[in-house]
Amino acid sequence: EAQVTQNPRYLITVTGKKLTVTCSQNMNHEYMSWYRQDPGLGLRQIYYSMNVEVTDKGDVPEGYKVSRKEKRNFPLILESPSPNQTSLYFCASSPIPREYRAQYFGPGTRLLVL
Amino acid sequence: AQKITQTQPGMFVQEKEAVTLDCTYDTSDPSYGLFWYKQPSSGEMIFLIYQGSYDQQNATEGRYSLNFQKARKSANLVISASQLGDSAMYFCAMREGDRDDKIIFGKGTRLHILP
Repeated sequence: EAQVTQNPRYLITVTGKKLTVTCSQNMNHEYMSWYRQDPGLGLRQIYYSMNVEVTDKGDVPEGYKVSRKEKRNFPLILESPSPNQTSLYFCASSPIPREYRAQYFGPGTRLLVL
Repeated sequence: AQKITQTQPGMFVQEKEAVTLDCTYDTSDPSYGLFWYKQPSSGEMIFLIYQGSYDQQNATEGRYSLNFQKARKSANLVISASQLGDSAMYFCAMREGDRDDKIIFGKGTRLHILP
């Protein structure tokens, strides 16, 4: 089954404790992206990647890191989480941008930073 | 300035009526793509429909159609014969250009279908 998986689905952590949210897709997509969703703000793009070893900042990259060492995986790293990073996070993937019609979204990760 | 504007934070519509969700966008790039996504209360994001800036015809997918008015920079989603299961949050999104593949989402419209 074609899918994007994220782990963990729910996470409660404390300020400053490094964490990683994993994202994996099995569709051989070149493009992957991370978003955060906050009430009243819609989805905002954090980082995206056009292919292996190619990453770019979205609109809200501060406080986040990503890496794309393999095509299927695109982890989101919070080196020192803060309460303002409490949010719902989505990973998404799609074929190369000029041909895609839609992104496939993962199920989301709810993060609470105390 | 917002690049994607959804002016309706919430809407209530009677079941079986048609619904139009508004979306206006702002870009100077001649090449762009517009998307609509549905987010039910369960939280997942579901792709509904796509319109490319060079597409000559309005996109349609089943009960969903996109009323694309390029000169007005408008990309409204039309849902025909609404159903209770259409109650959800709806997001309009835009991809600009061929080089920069940032994707920008609007703030969403919460649609409530009344029985």
